[in-house]
Amino acid sequence: AQTVTQSQPEMSVQEAETVTLSCTYDTSESDYYLFWYKQPPSRQMILVIRQEAYKQQNATENRFSVNFQKAAKSFSLKISDSQLGDAAMYFCAYKDRSGNTPLVFGKGTRLSVIA
Amino acid sequence: SQTIHQWPATLVQPVGSPLSLECTVEGTSNPNLYWYRQAAGRGLQLLFYSVGIGQISSEVPQNLSASRPQDRQFILSSKKLLLSDSGFYLCAWSEKGMGDYEQYFGPGTRLTVT
Repeated sequence: AQTVTQSQPEMSVQEAETVTLSCTYDTSESDYYLFWYKQPPSRQMILVIRQEAYKQQNATENRFSVNFQKAAKSFSLKISDSQLGDAAMYFCAYKDRSGNTPLVFGKGTRLSVIA
Repeated sequence: SQTIHQWPATLVQPVGSPLSLECTVEGTSNPNLYWYRQAAGRGLQLLFYSVGIGQISSEVPQNLSASRPQDRQFILSSKKLLLSDSGFYLCAWSEKGMGDYEQYFGPGTRLTVT
């Protein structure tokens, strides 16, 4: 079974600085999707960024980018120019490309942004 | 556009009482539907998912059950609540077939069992 590991339960970053959240996963599949979700204090889950495993180019969405290392099964999230509104729980998730199997989530990293 | 609704938003129930949480999706048809539970400060635990009416897969054996009586309706139930059932319950949906498989989450229900 696939597993997702987020080894940093908590992280903090100064406002305007850059922070990287780590995620590793385990799978025997060659084609899959990876996601980062954000859960602010409102508890609403929001998709931040997605990566397709067959694409070598790292995904980027404004201040958010990923470092996808397929051989190492690593999928880290970089937040540049951190803002107070970035403070949230961040969840890494994995999805097989085939079938209707659900997402597999990591346990999350709580990010604090210091003004 | 698609929207997902959950109710109630907040619920306080005594131990041993029944539970019914409802989730409905608008603007799509034949979605995959999911129930997650999140304990305080913890990750998401997948409870049930459904690929169609009457088709329910259970991930965690416990005193909860799920039903899908209609295409876009997903219900989480319990006959007798336990203290350990307290948590934040999230419903989600996703498209079928080829696609990016993003899951879209509802606003959640905060359940406190006293």
